[in-house]
Amino acid sequence: GAGVSQSPSNKVTEKGKDVELRCDPISGHTALYWYRQSLGQGLEFLIYFQGNSAPDKSGLPSDRFSAERTGGSVSTLTIQRTQQEDSAVYLCASSNGRREQYFGPGTRLTVT
Amino acid sequence: GQNIDQPTEMTATEGAIVQINCTYQTSGFNGLFWYQQHAGEAPTFLSYNVLDGLEEKGRFSSFLSRSKGYSYLLLKELQMKDSASYLCAPTNDYKLSFGAGTTVTVRA
Repeated sequence: GAGVSQSPSNKVTEKGKDVELRCDPISGHTALYWYRQSLGQGLEFLIYFQGNSAPDKSGLPSDRFSAERTGGSVSTLTIQRTQQEDSAVYLCASSNGRREQYFGPGTRLTVT
Repeated sequence: GQNIDQPTEMTATEGAIVQINCTYQTSGFNGLFWYQQHAGEAPTFLSYNVLDGLEEKGRFSSFLSRSKGYSYLLLKELQMKDSASYLCAPTNDYKLSFGAGTTVTVRA
């Protein structure tokens, strides 16, 4: 079946602009995660959604970052007033409960 | 807090064996994942250890010692396509903490 998809694959934006990144998880997966990976760094946990439970937002680096998951499926990560340090690859993953996570191809964000 | 330590780089010859060690200190622990990540691509799942001991899956094996906070990934019969970054990720319930990864370069 289809894997996790993300859009756009690349996004270049000017400092101060808002961006929205989209994630379509694997159908039927109840859990959805957002991570950030800066060049040469490990994956940094941002936020976790599980079913209808309140999301774990403990990894969001600032209040400029927010995420929603509508209808238990598609998720959008929004970054307001982007800064150059926000430049990274943003990865979405989904899983069926606490099993292995399947990652999307990521969105490469460049803030100029 | 989370502290995950794995070597930055390793180089090995095609057909050889390489062992990637990972030590971790985490607040809460359920199990440990290993992921493979080729340059410019998303991580892909390799293995998951919950209990102490060795899990073998083809050319790849993973070992866990919960009491020592230690795991290793063993890659046998190395192939050129195994050149990638290997990520150690202990998990506390649903939350994975990723190490910076070990870049393995396989030479002919």
